[in-house]
Amino acid sequence: KQEVTQIPAALSVPEGENLVLNCSFTDSAIYNLQWFRQDPGKGLTSLLLIQSSQREQTSGRLNASLDKSSGRSTLYIAASQPGDSATYLCAVRGLNAGGTSYGKLTFGQGTILTVHP
Amino acid sequence: EAGVAQSPRYKIIEKRQSVAFWCNPISGHATLYWYQQILGQGPKLLIQFQNNGVVDDSQLPKDRFSAERLKGVDSTLKIQPAKLEDSAVYLCASSPGRRVGTEAFFGQGTRLTVV
Repeated sequence: KQEVTQIPAALSVPEGENLVLNCSFTDSAIYNLQWFRQDPGKGLTSLLLIQSSQREQTSGRLNASLDKSSGRSTLYIAASQPGDSATYLCAVRGLNAGGTSYGKLTFGQGTILTVHP
Repeated sequence: EAGVAQSPRYKIIEKRQSVAFWCNPISGHATLYWYQQILGQGPKLLIQFQNNGVVDDSQLPKDRFSAERLKGVDSTLKIQPAKLEDSAVYLCASSPGRRVGTEAFFGQGTRLTVV
């Protein structure tokens, strides 16, 4: 059974800092990994998707890396801003028995990020 | 492109009552998911459809929860009867079939409060 853990559970930083959020998963047989952002009372917004064959993906100030063999991913946020304050969730998609992408998306508990001015 | 639509946004019911949630996925998306997110926790998969067939419902409390996806498009999730511990946000998501890509897109969710 896939288990996803995110560390830290909460993080508070001053504006302008670079920061790293961590995600680890127990079963390395994954199809891809996706990072999401969730604002209070809202749904999930997809930030980055990394296929299992990729090492990293970048979008603006965000960079996500994936080390499938060690079961780890990191989300790097450069020059943080108060608008980055939200809960960040990572989710891994497992492989089904046929090795296709129909495997379920398993989420971590999330990291609550607060960026203060 | 329209996103995943869910309704209602909020629902308050008494325990032992029934409730239904509706989801309209992104057009053409073959995979549809229902997740339950309890306050302070990550989303937990309840059921996953591939077109109109169930791929995974291992964590769906089948004594009280049911879901269907008619004609492989819209889906409804029903709870009958509701318990206090069912208070949560119910999220619907969809993703394309495996040949297109598997990024999942989420709706705004339905916040259920059982009193």
